[in-house]
Amino acid sequence: ETAVFQTPNYHVTQVGNEVSFNCKQTLGHDTMYWYKQDSKKLLKIMFSYNNKQLIVNETVPRRFSPQSSDKAHLNLRIKSVEPEDSAVYLCASSYWGDYAEQFFGPGTRLTVL
Amino acid sequence: QQQVRQSPQSLTVWEGETAILNCSYENSAFDYFPWYQQFPGEGPALLIAIRSVSDKKEDGGFTIFFNKREKNLSLHIKDSQPGDSATYFCAASGNNYAQGLTFGLGTRVSVFP
Repeated sequence: ETAVFQTPNYHVTQVGNEVSFNCKQTLGHDTMYWYKQDSKKLLKIMFSYNNKQLIVNETVPRRFSPQSSDKAHLNLRIKSVEPEDSAVYLCASSYWGDYAEQFFGPGTRLTVL
Repeated sequence: QQQVRQSPQSLTVWEGETAILNCSYENSAFDYFPWYQQFPGEGPALLIAIRSVSDKKEDGGFTIFFNKREKNLSLHIKDSQPGDSATYFCAASGNNYAQGLTFGLGTRVSVFP
C-alpha cells in the first residue's frame, strides 16, 4: 500500500517532556511537510523539507525540530512540550514542483497535561 | 489575520441538493487553490483543485467556480449524499510552493437523507 503513515495515533504527556512523532511515505515523493491542526481545525504549515532545503514557518517555536533520515521519513521532535502544543500533527508529502498534490497522513493527536 | 476565509462555518443540506461552499483570499500571489475533504479521525484528502488561469473546474459531482478579480471561489457539491458529510477546507499557495499550503478554517457539511 502506498500512502503516508504516522505513528503513534495518540500521545498523552506532561508539560516539559520531550516527544517524537514518526512519519513515513511510500509514494516515492521527495518533499515532506508537517502541519499543526489546532482545536478549531485550523491547519498551519510548520515545516517543508526536501533534500535541498528546509523551510521553517517563522511562527514555529524553537522547541520543535524536524528530523529526516532519508526522503521517505520526516519525524517531528518537540523538546519540552507546552500546553498549547496540544493539537493534531499532520504529516504530508508531495513531489517538489508547481501545483504538486500534497498527500496527508492520518495525524498524531498530542495531549499535554 | 486569516489569509484564506471560508463561509459558512457549517452547512446542512438534504440528500440530492447542491451544497455551496465559499472561500475568499487576501494574497494576490496565490495561484493554486485545492479543496480538501476531511473525515473525523483522518487526514485531509484532495478533492479538486484549480489554478488561477481558469475560472471553472469540474470533477464528477464537484465544481469550483473561481473569480480572480474578486479573489473568491466556491465549491459546488452537486447531488449531495450522506457520505459527503465531512469538513471541507479551501487552501491556497503561491509560486513559492515550498512554503506549503495556507488553509481556511473549513466548512462542516452535513447531508441528511
